Amino acid sequence: DGGITQSPKYLFRKEGQNVTLSCEQNLNHDAMYWYRQDPGQGLRLIYYSQIVNDFQKGDIAEGYSVSREKKESFPLTVTSAQKNPTAFYLCASSIQDRGNQPQHFGDGTRLSIL
Amino acid sequence: AQTVTQSQPEMSVQEAETVTLSCTYDTSESDYYLFWYKQPPSRQMILVIRQEAYKQQNATENRFSVNFQKAAKSFSLKISDSQLGDAAMYFCAYRIFYNTDKLIFGTGTRLQVFP
Repeated sequence: DGGITQSPKYLFRKEGQNVTLSCEQNLNHDAMYWYRQDPGQGLRLIYYSQIVNDFQKGDIAEGYSVSREKKESFPLTVTSAQKNPTAFYLCASSIQDRGNQPQHFGDGTRLSIL
Repeated sequence: AQTVTQSQPEMSVQEAETVTLSCTYDTSESDYYLFWYKQPPSRQMILVIRQEAYKQQNATENRFSVNFQKAAKSFSLKISDSQLGDAAMYFCAYRIFYNTDKLIFGTGTRLQVFP
């Protein structure tokens, strides 16, 4: 079945540690996105990529980094510079178009601080 | 600034009844797209319905329909014949794609369905 796979489902980070969240899609979508969700809030965009080897900052990119070496993969690294990383992280993908195609989401990764 | 406002943090409905969730947005764009997503306790985001701003006809998807009022920048979701499985967080989202590409989400409405 086609879809988006995020791993791990739960992740714990120690102080000063970088952690990487995985996102893989087999939908043949060009565009991929990372969102952060905090309690009582909607999703906020961290980074997005519309094509391989290119990505753009979203609204809350500070303390995060990404790469897009393959069309199928868009990993997110939460660096030690992100002082409040505890949140639910969602990866999404979509067909690159004028905007009427929906974004399809993975099941998310919950990141907590040890 | 482009914002999406959902003024109802929580709503409830009896099974088989109809409920309407409100959403307003602010934009200076003339061409854009609007979406409603459902997030059940599993936390997966599921597309419910979408609306192109250039279309005057309201979108319908089975028991789900929207009331899109472009001039008022309003995009409400109506759920007819509510079912227990409709209980979830519902997020309204607005997509912009000129010079950027992102969904802007509201803060969500928690819908409870009572038998």
